[in-house]
Amino acid sequence: GAGVSQSPRYKVAKRGQDVALRCDPISGHVSLFWYQQALGQGPEFLTYFQNEAQLDKSGLPSDRFFAERPEGSVSTLKIQRTQQEDSAVYLCASRIGPNEKLFFGSGTQLSVL
Amino acid sequence: EDQVTQSPEALRLQEGESSSLNCSYTVSGLRGLFWYRQDPGKGPEFLFTLYSAGEEKEKERLKATLTKKESFLHITAPKPEDSATYLCAVRKGGSEKLVFGKGTKLTVNP
Repeated sequence: GAGVSQSPRYKVAKRGQDVALRCDPISGHVSLFWYQQALGQGPEFLTYFQNEAQLDKSGLPSDRFFAERPEGSVSTLKIQRTQQEDSAVYLCASRIGPNEKLFFGSGTQLSVL
Repeated sequence: EDQVTQSPEALRLQEGESSSLNCSYTVSGLRGLFWYRQDPGKGPEFLFTLYSAGEEKEKERLKATLTKKESFLHITAPKPEDSATYLCAVRKGGSEKLVFGKGTKLTVNP
């Protein structure tokens, strides 16, 4: 497809488990973002990549959260030792250039039990 | 601290009943104000970017305006398919991240 693709669509984890969320951006898009959206809230910034370089990770809530984009295309957001407060929708977005519009994926809904 | 406040939290309109959504913001060095539409179970969909006070943009039944402290999203003669959550976000100079408000959930009844 032509849009941003995220998988899995839903993920249920037991507290303490590690999870990995995948994002396939639109082909050729240089910039990639991860946002976290809690129920009834607006998205909150987690981290930003330009190609393979992670230029801003100021929004990652703790050192349990780690993101990578090793070849400047697909990105993975990893959460270690998940906690209940990690339950949210994790949105990935990409854009072709600095002043272009951001395209969002449909997100991964993470539920930590 | 950068802040975005949207009002009302929820709005119910009858089909054809025009109204406006508000987005108040505080940010140092605004580099863009963005409006997105979000349907249930989907990611936000881009609507508009506004860069400076006085700027206006239109798309079908939607019109976005910007002042130095707030933005309005005017909806003229809405239809049920306009029902969604509308999100406002700002970006400041020197940063690539967007700071979002909590959104306004719009319901348009036929």
